[in-house]
Amino acid sequence: GENVEQHPSTLSVQEGDSAVIKCTYSDSASNYFPWYKQELGKRPQLIIDIRSNVGEKKDQRIAVTLNKTAKHFSLHITETQPEDSAVYFCAASSAAGNKLTFGGGTRVLVKP
Amino acid sequence: DVKVTQSSRYLVKRTGEKVFLECVQDMDHENMFWYRQDPGLGLRLIYFSYDVKMKEKGDIPEGYSVSREKKERFSLILESASTNQTSMYLCASSLHLAGGPGNEQFFGPGTRLTVL
Repeated sequence: GENVEQHPSTLSVQEGDSAVIKCTYSDSASNYFPWYKQELGKRPQLIIDIRSNVGEKKDQRIAVTLNKTAKHFSLHITETQPEDSAVYFCAASSAAGNKLTFGGGTRVLVKP
Repeated sequence: DVKVTQSSRYLVKRTGEKVFLECVQDMDHENMFWYRQDPGLGLRLIYFSYDVKMKEKGDIPEGYSVSREKKERFSLILESASTNQTSMYLCASSLHLAGGPGNEQFFGPGTRLTVL
């Protein structure tokens, strides 16, 4: 089955700096890659996603890039703010497109 | 607004007990999912359902079963709870499956289960 690895497991950045989280996946047939954000004590929420026919997608301060050949994708957060502090999960769809496999999560701490 | 609710926020059970976790969504979503969340392991899929009375095993189904008798309700059952099933359990629903449009998964608040 699909295997998704996520790095780093924790990331501490100064407010205003950029943060980058990287994920690799194993199934070359995966075609959908969402990112979820989970604030402390809250439920995960989708923040951005990308499909395999697109190399990059941006939404304000967040962007996701996908390298299908290398089977990795990354989340970029620019101009980090304290409210960006959370756990971020990457995920990849199964070849059948019926389920997601999540990475282990990255705890991001933005220091004021 | 999609609302996904779970029957309990916290639950404490004893080893060997049968445990029921319930999830209800109010947006007429076809698909529902049960995950467990453990530190460093992310969200691991236990079971999912794409229609009433239909279920499919996820990545870690051992020790669990599910029931979906109505479209809005998806139950997770621990037939005989064990200490290694102590975890946070998250339910989710989506309009469509992972690969298609409208596939965002909406999560419930979670149930923190402790098995003693």
